[in-house]
Amino acid sequence: DVVMTQTPVSLSVSLGGQVSISCRSSQSLVHNNGNTYLSWYLQKPGQSPQLLIYKVSNRFSGISDRFSGSGSGTDFTLKISRVEPDDLGVYYCGQGTQYPLTFGSGTKLEIK
Amino acid sequence: EVKLVESGGGLVQPGRSLKLSCAASGFSFNDYWMGWVRQAPGKGLEWIGEINQDSSTINYTPSLKDKFTISRDNAQNTLYLQMSKLGSEDTAIYYCARANWDFDYWGQGVMVTVSS
Repeated sequence: DVVMTQTPVSLSVSLGGQVSISCRSSQSLVHNNGNTYLSWYLQKPGQSPQLLIYKVSNRFSGISDRFSGSGSGTDFTLKISRVEPDDLGVYYCGQGTQYPLTFGSGTKLEIK
Repeated sequence: EVKLVESGGGLVQPGRSLKLSCAASGFSFNDYWMGWVRQAPGKGLEWIGEINQDSSTINYTPSLKDKFTISRDNAQNTLYLQMSKLGSEDTAIYYCARANWDFDYWGQGVMVTVSS
């Protein structure tokens, strides 16, 4: 199975600040078709997860450009700029390249 | 508007079975893979499995393959998860999600509690 390792486990940021979350996979996430299926999700308190970023760097419909994804191969990053109160929650990376699909263990974002 | 609504959860005794449903609306259900993801209390996300458009391909996480069965009824726009031999480790919120190499839409989830 592909192991997804997220760091940090938690972080605290001031409103208006910027944060980065790292996600590393135990194997390359480049699919045979050439695409890299690395996604980012946000689970706000008491809610179901929502898709933020797909295929490394593509923002899902309606997602603010304050969220950006980057990376390749096994090393990926989610950046959140100009942090707002509504950004708090747990962020998960997930891979769709290889079965079984797997998720990182999550990064909890708190607002100072 | 894409909408996914799970139902069928609740309290179930160890060793028993339970079947969850997920009613889909707002998109052409038979054009998409669909999947199930669960989340134990206070824990992260665990992929259970997913099913393709015509049910000809179903993939499971290995540890659940012999306990859980995913199916769908395209005429009813409904996804199912049949769970058997339930144990306390299966206590979780179960989410259905539209699968597209990622999970772009999620239901609100349904709680399953396995306890005597």
